[in-house]
Amino acid sequence: AQKVTQAQTEISVVEKEDVTLDCVYETRDTTYYLFWYKQPPSGELVFLIRRNSFDEQNEISGRYSWNFQKSTSSFNFTITASQVVDSAVYFCALSVGAGGFKTIFGAGTRLFVKA
Amino acid sequence: KAGVTQTPRYLIKTRGQQVTLSCSPISGHRSVSWYQQTPGQGLQFLFEYFSETQRNKGNFPGRFSGRQFSNSRSEMNVSTLELGDSALYLCASSLAGTSGEKILGETQYFGPGTRLLVL
Repeated sequence: AQKVTQAQTEISVVEKEDVTLDCVYETRDTTYYLFWYKQPPSGELVFLIRRNSFDEQNEISGRYSWNFQKSTSSFNFTITASQVVDSAVYFCALSVGAGGFKTIFGAGTRLFVKA
Repeated sequence: KAGVTQTPRYLIKTRGQQVTLSCSPISGHRSVSWYQQTPGQGLQFLFEYFSETQRNKGNFPGRFSGRQFSNSRSEMNVSTLELGDSALYLCASSLAGTSGEKILGETQYFGPGTRLLVL
């Protein structure tokens, strides 16, 4: 069975602090994809990043960075110098299966960034 | 390019009624998926349509159904509404392969959702 765990339900930081959102996944598939989505108060899920199981290279995009470690089945997301606009719920998701994949979402982490 | 649109954005119904939600995917996208989001259960997959055919279905009762039209627009229907159906219903579209194959890792683009309240 596949599973995505985001153990942090809520995180509160002060603006300009760095924050890391944890994501641990479970799957027996060797080919899979991992995603991070951001859900602002408006409700729409915004795609942030996609990684496949064969590419463990870390990625940086502006203030965002992702650390993918297959050895620990983790795909953590770090926001550097957080801003109030980063306040949202962040979801980690796992896509598995060939021919008819399904996407499993974690429970989400609500991030509050205070000015 | 316009994003995924969903109508209506908000809806209030009473128990026992039925409801139809609509989703228009991004132009050129042929796969449409529906998700239910609730505080208790989180984001759960409902079903996915491609070329007017349902290809995948989540673990929801038969009261939840959907369809897709030839222009890729999709509708979701919930009959005999229950209080527990109150949720944010999200629609996502993706390109899908030229032959309709699902591309593992393909990005889904989500609409703003329809917030349904059942009284």
